[in-house]
Amino acid sequence: KNEVEQSPQNLTAQEGEFITINCSYSVGISALHWLQQHPGGGIVSLFMLSSGKKKHGRLIATINIQEKHSSLHITASHPRDSAVYICAVRSNTGNQFYFGTGTSLTVIP
Amino acid sequence: IAGITQAPTSQILAAGRRMTLRCTQDMRHNAMYWYRQDLGLGLRLIHYSNTAGTTGKGEVPDGYSVSRANTDDFPLTLASAVPSQTSVYFCASSPLGWDSALSGANVLTFGAGSRLTVL
Repeated sequence: KNEVEQSPQNLTAQEGEFITINCSYSVGISALHWLQQHPGGGIVSLFMLSSGKKKHGRLIATINIQEKHSSLHITASHPRDSAVYICAVRSNTGNQFYFGTGTSLTVIP
Repeated sequence: IAGITQAPTSQILAAGRRMTLRCTQDMRHNAMYWYRQDLGLGLRLIHYSNTAGTTGKGEVPDGYSVSRANTDDFPLTLASAVPSQTSVYFCASSPLGWDSALSGANVLTFGAGSRLTVL
């Protein structure tokens, strides 16, 4: 049983396309994170959300607490956006983080 | 530059050997974590530490041990490595503890990872 489910698992897009990655979770959370794992393996935090929407450059993250769902959008995608995007949630019992298996994005020039 | 340093970056070792993966952070974060990442699976928690002097077991602790003698260091030891421990290991830290009731403020920072191959 996975507490965090992501879709799609793999995504290929043409440069310039609008991209959406979805995340659903089944536990009560205090925060949701979107992480980016570069082809070299390093993991960086893109967003931390507890409600609403955040924007950073071409990246937009939204969360619907009632529906236990979050989306990560990339506008005007670029080949340098190619990476694995991981959704993670922090349980509201304060116990641990749960991670999705990631969405592998490839943006073709 | 503030962050987490992991070492080694990559290691191949024979089954049965002892191995310690090092993790050091300079952000004075209370909590530290060790995860393993395997193909097709999400990051899985091995061990964690709320604060210096305390540790706890995560989802997949068997075959691993940790210690937290001070705030900055959180080494992960494989006492007798087995091939199923071949994986990429990530150390992470956050400013709040495992059992904290505070919400929304727990930033998670990752190290660059250590790729371990056990033959």
